[in-house]
Amino acid sequence: AQSVAQPEDQVNVAEGNPLTVKCTYSVSGNPYLFWYVQYPNRGLQFLLKYITGDNLVKGSYGFEAEFNKSQTSFHLKKPSALVSDSALYFCAVRAGGSQGNLIFGKGTKLSVKP
Amino acid sequence: KAGVTQTPRYLIKTRGQQVTLSCSPISGHRSVSWYQQTPGQGLQFLFEYFSETQRNKGNFPGRFSGRQFSNSRSEMNVSTLELGDSALYLCASSLEVGVYGYTFGSGTRLTVV
Repeated sequence: AQSVAQPEDQVNVAEGNPLTVKCTYSVSGNPYLFWYVQYPNRGLQFLLKYITGDNLVKGSYGFEAEFNKSQTSFHLKKPSALVSDSALYFCAVRAGGSQGNLIFGKGTKLSVKP
Repeated sequence: KAGVTQTPRYLIKTRGQQVTLSCSPISGHRSVSWYQQTPGQGLQFLFEYFSETQRNKGNFPGRFSGRQFSNSRSEMNVSTLELGDSALYLCASSLEVGVYGYTFGSGTRLTVV
């Protein structure tokens, strides 16, 4: 079955420190991977995607993600966290190739303290 | 350009009633997807439409239905509401089904009492 897992419910980081939000996936065929961010009482905002090509993908707001095929992971990273990065982060994968529906992980709450 | 617009933003309904939620995608986007978000279950996929055709459907009972119009606007309907249907319903649009990222609306908060 196609699935995506975010093993951490919450990640706490001090402002200025690097952050990593973890994501692993299980799909048949090539994975189409996405990261979204959700601020309180808002819809989700697209951050970045991996379809093919370079394993390091750069996205919005200084975020990047590293695709690792052997570990079936797609971790979200940022070199220096901001308090304003505090939000709920979702990893997602297209199930069944490019035409399948988008399956989301449970989400990871990122808290950045000053 | 205008984003994805969902109406209404908030809704309170009584158990047993039915409700219709509306979604206007970004101009030019032909794919519309619906998700239910709850604290316990997270984001659950409801259905995806492209050019007025349902392309994918999630594991929800038949009380949940949707449609897409020729102008790409979409509606979802929930009949015979249950308390467990209380959730944030999110609509997302994309250019086409496939490798494009979604743009989400702010959602409709449905409360069933």
